[in-house]
Amino acid sequence: GAGVSQTPSNKVTEKGKYVELRCDPISGHTALYWYRQSLGQGPEFLIYFQGTGAADDSGLPNDRFFAVRPEGSVSTLKIQRTERGDSAVYLCASSPSGRANPVTQYFGPGTRLTVL
Amino acid sequence: DQQVKQNSPSLSVQEGRISILNCDYTNSMFDYFLWYKKYPAEGPTFLISISSIKDKNEDGRFTVFLNKSAKHLSLHIVPSQPGDSAVYFCAAVADSWGKLQFGAGTQVVVTP
Repeated sequence: GAGVSQTPSNKVTEKGKYVELRCDPISGHTALYWYRQSLGQGPEFLIYFQGTGAADDSGLPNDRFFAVRPEGSVSTLKIQRTERGDSAVYLCASSPSGRANPVTQYFGPGTRLTVL
Repeated sequence: DQQVKQNSPSLSVQEGRISILNCDYTNSMFDYFLWYKKYPAEGPTFLISISSIKDKNEDGRFTVFLNKSAKHLSLHIVPSQPGDSAVYFCAAVADSWGKLQFGAGTQVVVTP
């Protein structure tokens, strides 16, 4: 079956521009996570959705970052006024549930964002 | 602050020998630990996990050991194979919804 997909795979933008990154989770997965992986580091948690609601957005670095999941499936991570420090690989993961089985987070291939 | 640390950025091992990857953590609230494997241009894939109530979990060539008193865990791969060449991430969970906290990763290279 289809895994988690993310589009685009690569995004190059200029400083100050707005970008949207899309995540298509595995069908039926209620939990969705966004992580950000900077060069030489491990993924860092950004936000967690359970269904349509953001249950934990404590990892969003500032108010330029926002994410939605309006129908409980596809999610979009939105970054306003991009800065060079936003350059990273943005990873999405989905899970049938949260704590009940923490091992079942399936990751997408990521979107590599480069801000010039 | 980095609550999960992998202090070895790289490891080179000969095919057939044992690979030992180490991970230290600082948060005593972590109750579940996982290892992920990542190939270039792909997302991390789950490898093996261990609950904090156990000290060892084994799955085929992979064994994870947990020393809670030392806040240390390790992953053993025996025997190492060329296909094991990848970046390995240690991760930990403390929240009720499975928010993962990752280490920086260890690049493993298995040589013939």
